Amino acid sequence: AIQLTQSPSSLSASVGDTVSMTCRASQGIDTALAWYQQKPGSPPKLLIYAASILEGGVPSRFTGSGSGTDFTLTISSLQPEDFATYYCQQFNSYPPLTFGGGTKLQIK
Amino acid sequence: QVQLVESGGGLVKPGGSLRLSCAASGFTFSDYYMAWIRQAPGKGLEWVAWISSTSSTIYYADSVRGRFTLSRDNAENSLSLHMNSLRVEDTGIYYCAKDRGDYSVFDSWGQGTRVTVSS
Repeated sequence: AIQLTQSPSSLSASVGDTVSMTCRASQGIDTALAWYQQKPGSPPKLLIYAASILEGGVPSRFTGSGSGTDFTLTISSLQPEDFATYYCQQFNSYPPLTFGGGTKLQIK
Repeated sequence: QVQLVESGGGLVKPGGSLRLSCAASGFTFSDYYMAWIRQAPGKGLEWVAWISSTSSTIYYADSVRGRFTLSRDNAENSLSLHMNSLRVEDTGIYYCAKDRGDYSVFDSWGQGTRVTVSS
């Protein structure tokens, strides 16, 4: 099974900052990667798929990049509603579909 | 709009059984793969099982294979997960999720149903 490692596990930032977080796959997955946002008490929300394609309705301050084994989610001009936990998911090789362990973005 | 409503969670003893259901609306259910994804308390997401639109293909995580059975009823727009031989480590919130269709990612999720396995 392909393993996904997210770093950092937690991150502190302020409103207006630009932050980046990474997801590393244990083997190459081309661009078969998605990013989700999850807030406490709510289900995950799809943000980005195919590494860089923004899901409809997601603000353009969210940007995904990468291919192969290394991927990045960047959030520019952080808004209060962006503080959440972010997960990556690979869909190159399955089963199983796998998720990363998450990056928790907290307010500084 | 897409709506997924899970039900059937609860408290069960180790070795017991539960049946989770997911009622779908707002889209053509029979056109899409569907999945269950779970989240243990304070932990990350774990894919559990996935079923094709016609039920011809069903995948399970190794952790549940042989104990869980996934099925769907396209006439009733519903998804079911029969869970047997439950273990303490099966505890968590179980989400029903809709596959996007063009990519194997999940673009709609239910609010989840809580399963607690404890003696």
